[in-house]
Amino acid sequence: DIQMTQSPSSLSASVGDRVTITCQASQDISNYLNWYQQKPGKAPKLLIYDASNLETGVPSRFSGSGSGTDFTFTISSLQPEDIATYYCQQYDNLPITFGGGTKVEIK
Amino acid sequence: QVQLQESGPGLVKPSETLSLTCTVSGGSISSYYWSWIRQPAGKGLEWIGRIYTSGSTNYNPSLKSRVTMSVDTSKNQFSLKLSSVTAADTAVYYCARVNRLRFDYWGQGTLVTVSS
Repeated sequence: DIQMTQSPSSLSASVGDRVTITCQASQDISNYLNWYQQKPGKAPKLLIYDASNLETGVPSRFSGSGSGTDFTFTISSLQPEDIATYYCQQYDNLPITFGGGTKVEIK
Repeated sequence: QVQLQESGPGLVKPSETLSLTCTVSGGSISSYYWSWIRQPAGKGLEWIGRIYTSGSTNYNPSLKSRVTMSVDTSKNQFSLKLSSVTAADTAVYYCARVNRLRFDYWGQGTLVTVSS
């Protein structure tokens, strides 16, 4: 199985801050990497697909980059409604695997 | 707008079989893969498996011996059966559509508790 290592596991930032989350795959997954946002009690929501493509309707403050084994997810200006847990997910090989999640809180 | 809704018992006894159905509305179930994903309380996401509308399946090896998925295109539904459940199978179970290698639509999730 491909292991997805996300860091940090949690972070606290102020409104307006730039927030960066990293995700490292245990092997090359090309750009088969998606990012999801999960708010408490809700299903995950797709934000970024194929490492860097913004899903329709998702605010442009969210972005993703990377390929191979190292990926980055960025919120350019943190908003109160961005409080959530973020997950990366690889789809290069089965079984599909997710990162452990990064919980984002407001300072 | 595609919508998914999970249904099934919220409580299952140990050693019995968990059965869930996902009903798809607002679009056809045809020509997509459909997945089940679960999440124990306070933990991360675990992919259980996927089924194509032809009935072709792929399961997570960690659960493969206990998982069966099926699809009923006439009802726009697909289903999950997980046998010989234990407390470790207690989780919120989500169904999701797979679109070009990403999960683009999700059900709201259903909590299944394994307890006697």
